[in-house]
Amino acid sequence: AQTVTQSQPEMSVQEAETVTLSCTYDTSESDYYLFWYKQPPSRQMILVIRQEAYKQQNATENRFSVNFQKAAKSFSLKISDSQLGDAAMYFCAYRSGEGAQKLVFGQGTRLTINP
Amino acid sequence: DARVTQTPRHKVTEMGQEVTMRCQPILGHNTVFWYRQTMMQGLELLAYFRNRAPLDDSGMPKDRFSAEMPDATLATLKIQPSEPRDSAVYFCASGLGPVGDTQYFGPGTRLTVL
Repeated sequence: AQTVTQSQPEMSVQEAETVTLSCTYDTSESDYYLFWYKQPPSRQMILVIRQEAYKQQNATENRFSVNFQKAAKSFSLKISDSQLGDAAMYFCAYRSGEGAQKLVFGQGTRLTINP
Repeated sequence: DARVTQTPRHKVTEMGQEVTMRCQPILGHNTVFWYRQTMMQGLELLAYFRNRAPLDDSGMPKDRFSAEMPDATLATLKIQPSEPRDSAVYFCASGLGPVGDTQYFGPGTRLTVL
């Protein structure tokens, strides 16, 4: 079974600085998808960014980018120019490219932005 | 702005009562997922549907939980009888399919069973 590990329960960063959240996963599959979701205090799960395993190019969405290292099974999220609104729980998630379509989530990283 | 809606947003009930949670997926999405979030277990899948047919409900306690899609615009999750350990936030998510498609989450139902 696939597992996702987020080793940083909490992180903090100064406003306008850059922060990187770590995620590793374990799978024997070659075809899969990876996601980062943000959960602010409102509890809403918001998609931040997604990465297809077959793509070598790292995904980017405005201030958010990932460092996808397939061989190392690592999928970190970099937030540039941190803003107060980025404060939230961040979840890394894995989805198989075949068969089961469920998302397997990590335990989350709570990100605090210091003004 | 299409989004997944869930009702109720909050529910407080007593042990033994029936609880029904409803979800309206994004129009046109053909896959619907139910997840549960607790402090201890994190986010875990309970069940999911494609084209209204249940494909996987292995994460759901069968003796008390049931999930259905009466039509393409409504998914329900029922707990009968409810127990204090069912207290959690229940999320519905929908997607277009096929495999790998992004899942869009609703705001969740916070359930408290006393």
